[in-house]
Amino acid sequence: DTGVSQDPRHKITKRGQNVTFRCDPISEHNRLYWYRQTLGQGPEFLTYFQNEAQLEKSRLLSDRFSAERPKGSFSTLEIQRTEQGDSAMYLCASGLDRVEEQYFGPGTRLTVT
Amino acid sequence: AQKITQTQPGMFVQEKEAVTLDCTYDTSDPSYGLFWYKQPSSGEMIFLIYQGSYDQQNATEGRYSLNFQKARKSANLVISASQLGDSAMYFCAMREGYGGGSYIPTFGRGTSLIVHP
Repeated sequence: DTGVSQDPRHKITKRGQNVTFRCDPISEHNRLYWYRQTLGQGPEFLTYFQNEAQLEKSRLLSDRFSAERPKGSFSTLEIQRTEQGDSAMYLCASGLDRVEEQYFGPGTRLTVT
Repeated sequence: AQKITQTQPGMFVQEKEAVTLDCTYDTSDPSYGLFWYKQPSSGEMIFLIYQGSYDQQNATEGRYSLNFQKARKSANLVISASQLGDSAMYFCAMREGYGGGSYIPTFGRGTSLIVHP
């Protein structure tokens, strides 16, 4: 399968714990995006990488959130000191320069208890 | 103000019939792009169709067409000959500014489509 993959698919954690999600984009894609989707809403942009450089971050991305894309391949999204409001589906997408279409992964569903 | 408005929370259609999903957008930027994505219950967003603000023709991709009415700021998705597998959430999205930038779209709240046999 050469699509975007995300790991884990589901994560249940207790409030205050740290969690880390991984995204593996399509191999030749230099653009990588993270989104958050809550029930009844469309995806909301969190952050964007072009190769290894993090070029944009949403105001939604509080100081407890950090994302990396070392070597411009896979990316990780870490949430520190999780809160119940962090419960959501976290989606990763990848794309190519000068191409509008983004390819999404299956998402990681986070539940904070 | 909402940049993307999808006023139909849910739609029902009979198999093999056509259905139109509404989307209106708000931007003052002359250069923008409009998208439709499908999200089945599995959760993965699937790109369906794209329309650029300067495109003269309405975009079509197989059974999907985008009815682009620039003056009305609407970008409705038309699905012809509905199939049971079309049952899903459908999201309209817009990317503002020149496409050579970050390509970050803003999504609407979605419309749930159910296709009846």
